[in-house]
Amino acid sequence: EAGVVQSPRYKIIEKKQPVAFWCNPISGHNTLYWYLQNLGQGPELLIRYENEEAVDDSQLPKDRFSAERLKGVDSTLKIQPAELGDSAVYLCASSRDADTQYFGPGTRLTVL
Amino acid sequence: QKEVEQDPGPLSVPEGAIVSLNCTYSNSAFQYFMWYRQYSRKGPELLMYTYSSGNKEDGRFTAQVDKSSKYISLFIRDSQPSDSATYLCAMRVIYNQGGKLIFGQGTELSVKP
Repeated sequence: EAGVVQSPRYKIIEKKQPVAFWCNPISGHNTLYWYLQNLGQGPELLIRYENEEAVDDSQLPKDRFSAERLKGVDSTLKIQPAELGDSAVYLCASSRDADTQYFGPGTRLTVL
Repeated sequence: QKEVEQDPGPLSVPEGAIVSLNCTYSNSAFQYFMWYRQYSRKGPELLMYTYSSGNKEDGRFTAQVDKSSKYISLFIRDSQPSDSATYLCAMRVIYNQGGKLIFGQGTELSVKP
C-alpha cells in the first residue's frame, strides 16, 4: 500500500510570495489532515477534511491560508502572501474515518 | 500551559541501554494515547497505541499509561542506534470527534554504538 504522498518536499520562496503544497492521501482514506510542525515542536493541526468537507479549520489562519480538497481525494494547502514566520514543515496525514493517522514526509518551507 | 508536556531532551544513551520517555497532560478527557517516532526529514510514524491505563508491550517497546497521574511513558529495551529519532507522544479525546491529535513537543533520542 502506497503511503501519503506530498510535494514538493522542499520549497524556498521570498516573503510576500504565494506558495502551494499538494497531498495525495492513502487510497480509501476519507479523512485528511494538514499539520504545521515548527522546529523542535510537535505537529499542530491546521485543518481536517472528512471527504470534501472541512470539518475543523479552527486553527487555520484564514487571512493568508486556504485549503481545498476537490473530489474528496487530493488536497492543496496555499499560503498567500507568505511571511517569514511561516517557515516550517507542513505535514499531511490521512486516516480511514477517525482511525490511525498516517503521515506523509512533509514539505519543508523556507521563507526568506 | 500546554495540554501536553514532553521533555525535549536531547537524550543520549549507549547502545543496549533502557530508555524512558515521558509525557504529562492536563486534560483528563484524553482517552487515547499514542507514541510516534520521527526520523530526521521524515513524517511521524505510529509506534504504539493504547487507550487504557497499564502497560502494553510490542517487542522492545512498552507503553505505560497512568490516567490518575495524567502521565504516560514509553520504554525502549536494548536500545539500538536505529532507534535514534525524535519520539512524539500524542493523545486525543473521544473517538467520534474526528481523531484530533494533540502532540507533545518531542524528545530527541540518540543511541550511540
